[in-house]
Amino acid sequence: ETGVTQTPRHLVMGMTNKKSLKCEQHLGHNAMYWYKQSAKKPLELMFVYSLEERVENNSVPSRFSPECPNSSHLFLHLHTLQPEDSALYLCASSQDFGDEQFFGPGTRLTVL
Amino acid sequence: GEDVEQHPSTLSVQEGDSAVIKCTYSDSASNYFPWYKQELGKRPQLIIDIRSNVGEKKDQRIAVTLNKTAKHFSLHITETQPEDSAVYFCAASMEGSNYKLTFGKGTLLTVNP
Repeated sequence: ETGVTQTPRHLVMGMTNKKSLKCEQHLGHNAMYWYKQSAKKPLELMFVYSLEERVENNSVPSRFSPECPNSSHLFLHLHTLQPEDSALYLCASSQDFGDEQFFGPGTRLTVL
Repeated sequence: GEDVEQHPSTLSVQEGDSAVIKCTYSDSASNYFPWYKQELGKRPQLIIDIRSNVGEKKDQRIAVTLNKTAKHFSLHITETQPEDSAVYFCAASMEGSNYKLTFGKGTLLTVNP
C-alpha cells in the first residue's frame, strides 16, 4: 500500500493492557503527526515530529507515549488507558510544516 | 490558542443544489486555511486550501473564500452530487506554528438524489 498506512486498523484493549499503534509513510515526508478523532469533537492534534524530533506535545496525558525511530515510522505506545480514550487515532504526514497533510486510515481503539 | 468554529453541523441538500459551509477563526495571525473531506469510514483528504494572500480560490465545482477582516472563510460546492456526501472539516494554522492545524467540528453534508 502506498501513502500512509496504519496498523492495526482495530484494537480492543483493557485498561491494564499495553499496546502500540504503528504508522508508516511511503511518501518521503519530513513531518509526522498523531491526531485523536472522537465523535462530536474536532480533530485533536496530539504529537508532531519533524525529522524524528518531537516538536509538539499538545498537553497529552503520559499514558500516551510517542516514538519516531526514523522519518518514515511513527509509533504511539499506550498503557493504562481509560474508557474515554476510545477513539479513532489518525496518523498524518507532510513534506514539511505548512504543506498538505496526508492522513492514514486510522486505528479504531476501544478501551474496555 | 486558536479556536475554529464551523457551521452548520449538518446540511442536507438536493442533488444539483449548492452547499455552503462557514468557519470563523479567532487568531488574526492565522494564514493557512485547508478544507478536508472525510467519507464514512475513510481517512480525511484535502480538497482545497487557501492562504491569506488571496481572497478566493476555485477548483472545478469547489471554491473557498476568505475574509481576513471578518476572520471567516467558507467552502462552496456547486452542482452537488451524491458522492459529495461526507463530513467536511475546516482548519486554520499560523505562520510560525504552521505545523499546528486547529480543526472545526465538522459538517455532515448529505446530498439527496
